[in-house]
Amino acid sequence: DGGITQSPKYLFRKEGQNVTLSCEQNLNHDAMYWYRQDPGQGLRLIYYSQIVNDFQKGDIAEGYSVSREKKESFPLTVTSAQKNPTAFYLCASSMGQDQETQYFGPGTRLLVL
Amino acid sequence: AQSVTQLDSHVSVSEGTPVLLRCNYSSSYSPSLFWYVQHPNKGLQLLLKYTSAATLVKGINGFEAEFKKSETSFHLTKPSAHMSDAAEYFCVVSDRRAGFQKLVFGTGTRLLVSP
Repeated sequence: DGGITQSPKYLFRKEGQNVTLSCEQNLNHDAMYWYRQDPGQGLRLIYYSQIVNDFQKGDIAEGYSVSREKKESFPLTVTSAQKNPTAFYLCASSMGQDQETQYFGPGTRLLVL
Repeated sequence: AQSVTQLDSHVSVSEGTPVLLRCNYSSSYSPSLFWYVQHPNKGLQLLLKYTSAATLVKGINGFEAEFKKSETSFHLTKPSAHMSDAAEYFCVVSDRRAGFQKLVFGTGTRLLVSP
């Protein structure tokens, strides 16, 4: 089955620790995105990547980093510089910048110990 | 800049009654508009999208939405609610001027369905 997988489903971070959230897609999509969701708010864009080895900051990139070494993978690292990391993180993909429909993964919930 | 306003944070209906979730948008040109649904602790699923082909858009699970340019609205409706429709719904506009596919999300409407 084609789709987007995110792991882990739940992730716990200690103070000062960097953690990495995984996102993999087998849809052969060119573009991938990371969003953060907080209660009572819509999704906010963290980073996006339109092609391999290229990515751009979104609206709330501070405290986060990404890489795009393979077309199917777009991991997100939440660094210790992100002071309020508790949120639900969603990965999405689309065929390309001219394809408007984004498909979402099941999400990772990050909690701080 | 593009924006959307979801007029109700919560909507409660009884099973079998109609559903109306309201969304207004702001755009300097003809936008693409979407409705997504999110069940608890799940990702988002596309319900339907409007891209100027037809003003009445039919989606999955019996939902539909009507694009009204004069009212800058894109309300989501369903004739008869089912218990499984209980979820959070997001109205979304696409900002093409961003140079990439940027989606701007509303704050969501939680639909509660009672037996």
